[in-house]
Amino acid sequence: DTAVSQTPKYLVTQMGNDKSIKCEQNLGHDTMYWYKQDSKKFLKIMFSYNNKELIINETVPNRFSPKSPDKAHLNLHINSLELGDSAVYFCASSQDTWLAGTVWFGPGTRLTVL
Amino acid sequence: AQSVSQHNHHVILSEAASLELGCNYSYGGTVNLFWYVQYPGQHLQLLLKYFSGDPLVKGIKGFEAEFIKSKFSFNLRKPSVQWSDTAEYFCAVSNAGNMLTFGGGTRLMVKP
Repeated sequence: DTAVSQTPKYLVTQMGNDKSIKCEQNLGHDTMYWYKQDSKKFLKIMFSYNNKELIINETVPNRFSPKSPDKAHLNLHINSLELGDSAVYFCASSQDTWLAGTVWFGPGTRLTVL
Repeated sequence: AQSVSQHNHHVILSEAASLELGCNYSYGGTVNLFWYVQYPGQHLQLLLKYFSGDPLVKGIKGFEAEFIKSKFSFNLRKPSVQWSDTAEYFCAVSNAGNMLTFGGGTRLMVKP
């Protein structure tokens, strides 16, 4: 059974388009995250949600908007895509906001903006 | 703000060699420490973690790490690497503020 799943796995699109990445976790975790991994493999947190409420919103352009319809889902919508948005985006989840438990990562979505 | 440094960006070893990957962090408060591994084409997986207690922690696949508070370090070790250990390794630190900060990663290549 997949713990954290993301769709799509690959996403190729043109500059200026709007796209969404979906994430679901079946672990019963309260907290979900979006991370961005750039071409140099550097991982940086973008957002954190706890029970559908935004906890962390790092410095990301407001073209990125997370949406959490319920605590098992955290989708990422990106408006007006730019070349620099090309990266691998990882969804993740953990039991609580203290990170006392393990963070489980999804398989990643490789976004390529042409 | 906390930060994590991994000084070795690329490491190449032969099978059976010993491994030590450095990780230093900067944060004055209580931290939790992690090592994650990313095998080629796969997602991040937890290798081991330290929250409290014995500063020498053992993880999966024969990996261990030692937390040295005075040096703000959490180095990863394995006495004898295998070809299957070829991967990217990430050190990460979290505090009570729910923020997991990753280092830049170390790419390990093990030659058969």
